[in-house]
Amino acid sequence: DAGVIQSPRHEVTEMGQEVTLRCKPISGHNSLFWYRQTMMRGLELLIYFNNNVPIDDSGMPEDRFSAKMPNASFSTLKIQPSEPRDSAVYFCASTLTSGSPLNTDTQYFGPGTRLTVL
Amino acid sequence: DAKTTQPNSMESNEEEPVHLPCNHSTISGTDYIHWYRQLPSQGPEYVIHGLTSNVNNRMASLAIAEDRKSSTLILHRATLRDAAVYYCIPLSGTYKYIFGTGTRLKVLA
Repeated sequence: DAGVIQSPRHEVTEMGQEVTLRCKPISGHNSLFWYRQTMMRGLELLIYFNNNVPIDDSGMPEDRFSAKMPNASFSTLKIQPSEPRDSAVYFCASTLTSGSPLNTDTQYFGPGTRLTVL
Repeated sequence: DAKTTQPNSMESNEEEPVHLPCNHSTISGTDYIHWYRQLPSQGPEYVIHGLTSNVNNRMASLAIAEDRKSSTLILHRATLRDAAVYYCIPLSGTYKYIFGTGTRLKVLA
């Protein structure tokens, strides 16, 4: 398997522009996560999808951020409008959630998208 | 969620064993202890997890204290490729991995 695929790997944009990050989870996985990593805040969970449905978006910073999962093999994270403080590495991860309890499920991370907002 | 305490950084010589400690004194009885590592410029990757007894896999061993308030990740022979940030994550029955600051392991040739 190719693992979790993210694109683009690097994105440089100007403040105010729309940014779309893309993720293809591992085939057969039914849960998908978006994380953000910064020096100041470390690695934070933004949103969690299960069977393409957003279950927990409490980590999404504000209304400028939105995420979709139109099907089991594709998800997007959109920032509109982007701001310099959104500069970070964004990771997508997926797992096969077997049910309850979830505390043994291994998450597989993609290589990340490094976003720079000027 | 259980809080964790890990040393900020550790150093090891190549080919020597490394013991990476983690304190998780507020862990609940059903929390599994997961360890992930993040190599430079990569996403985190799974290393090992356990509940009560010690665990071994091809990457590492996990030693869990009897009272479960601490655990130690053991790399039996560190290589340069093991240089990474190692995260200890008690997982309380949910999907929410709480990544702390981790331990940055430096391996000296």
